[in-house]
Amino acid sequence: NAGVTQTPKFQVLKTGQSMTLQCAQDMNHEYMSWYRQDPGMGLRLIHYSVGAGITDQGEVPNGYNVSRSTTEDFPLRLLSAAPSQTSVYFCASRITGTTNEKLFFGSGTQLSVL
Amino acid sequence: GDSVTQMEGPVTLSEEAFLTINCTYTATGYPSLFWYVQYPGEGLQLLLKATKADDKGSNKGFEATYRKETTSFHLEKGSVQVSDSAVYFCALSIGFQKLVFGTGTRLLVSP
Repeated sequence: NAGVTQTPKFQVLKTGQSMTLQCAQDMNHEYMSWYRQDPGMGLRLIHYSVGAGITDQGEVPNGYNVSRSTTEDFPLRLLSAAPSQTSVYFCASRITGTTNEKLFFGSGTQLSVL
Repeated sequence: GDSVTQMEGPVTLSEEAFLTINCTYTATGYPSLFWYVQYPGEGLQLLLKATKADDKGSNKGFEATYRKETTSFHLEKGSVQVSDSAVYFCALSIGFQKLVFGTGTRLLVSP
């Protein structure tokens, strides 16, 4: 049972490049979410999904796209990376209807945009 | 809006010292309060929680009491270990969707 798996762990991009951060969970959780962690800012919610085919915006969605074609996967896409997107990204999942204390977090992706 | 404020780090202690990490919150409703821990190279894990005023959450020797009158949820441990070195996040949750984190406090414990 792997839990929440994020790939890659580290990535360096040039401004304007695109990439996809991958997130997969094997716990059959309906709810999945993406956070970014910045120094002095704590974790902020980017996008979330309550099930396959359903996504919604969080606190800081601009510059990011998501889709949810399967229960297991919730990729985060940067279409044109900007230096302001340099951050550590965490994916998290839980069973829909449970409270946030039941969130399981991945180990993070550290992204640098030059 | 809803927010969490916690003390800046790093907090540097010797093994067996007493730990306090301060956390205060602002919320429009009746939040649940949490402490999460992030060990090096890992994701966040729930350390403890409290869902109503005067509740005390505890786990692994850590404790925190939900103080509505002072809007606080300070984390304490009587005797820290080197293995407690990590980043600690205070957070609040209102309802099922919203989870608001503090900025995190790094704890460094030396032998």
